[in-house]
Amino acid sequence: DAGVIQSPRHEVTEMGQEVTLRCKPISGHDYLFWYRQTMMRGLELLIYFNNNVPIDDSGMPEDRFSAKMPNASFSTLKIQPSEPRDSAVYFCASSVGGWDRESYEQYFGPGTRLTVT
Amino acid sequence: DQQVKQNSPSLSVQEGRISILNCDYTNSMFDYFLWYKKYPAEGPTFLISISSIKDKNEDGRFTVFLNKSAKHLSLHIVPSQPGDSAVYFCAAYSGGGADGLTFGKGTHLIIQP
Repeated sequence: DAGVIQSPRHEVTEMGQEVTLRCKPISGHDYLFWYRQTMMRGLELLIYFNNNVPIDDSGMPEDRFSAKMPNASFSTLKIQPSEPRDSAVYFCASSVGGWDRESYEQYFGPGTRLTVT
Repeated sequence: DQQVKQNSPSLSVQEGRISILNCDYTNSMFDYFLWYKKYPAEGPTFLISISSIKDKNEDGRFTVFLNKSAKHLSLHIVPSQPGDSAVYFCAAYSGGGADGLTFGKGTHLIIQP
């Protein structure tokens, strides 16, 4: 398997523009997670899905952020309108899920570095 | 409020010596802990984990120790090698299934020749 795939790898946009980040999880993984990494706050969980259904979005910073998972192989994280403070690296991760300890291991994509000017 | 804390932003160790990375947590509901390793421009990759029912887990050069009473865990790397230079993240689960991980801010390990 190619692992978790994210696109684009880098995104530079102007304040006020809409930004869409994309993720393809590992085939067969039931859980998908979106994280954000900043210098100040480190790695933070934004939202996660189980079988395409959003389970916990309490980490989404505000209404400007939204995430969807229309099918098992694709998810998007959208920011509209974008602001300079949204500049960060956004990671997508997936896991098998279930009750075995091994299922807790999450596999991360390479991340999308977002810069909002 | 940080529930998982890595108080050393960076650590420098000579090649061949032992590297010890520390992590403290505050949430007593955490019952499973993981260490991730991250190289620049890559996503974190899983390194080693430990359940709260154990106090030690070993995998080759990597050993994780858990002290539940002190809410402290540590990662030992011995011997340290140049390829170990990376940022190491401590992460924790509160159990009950595949919820999101709570991460520390990471420790940048630098292995000096």
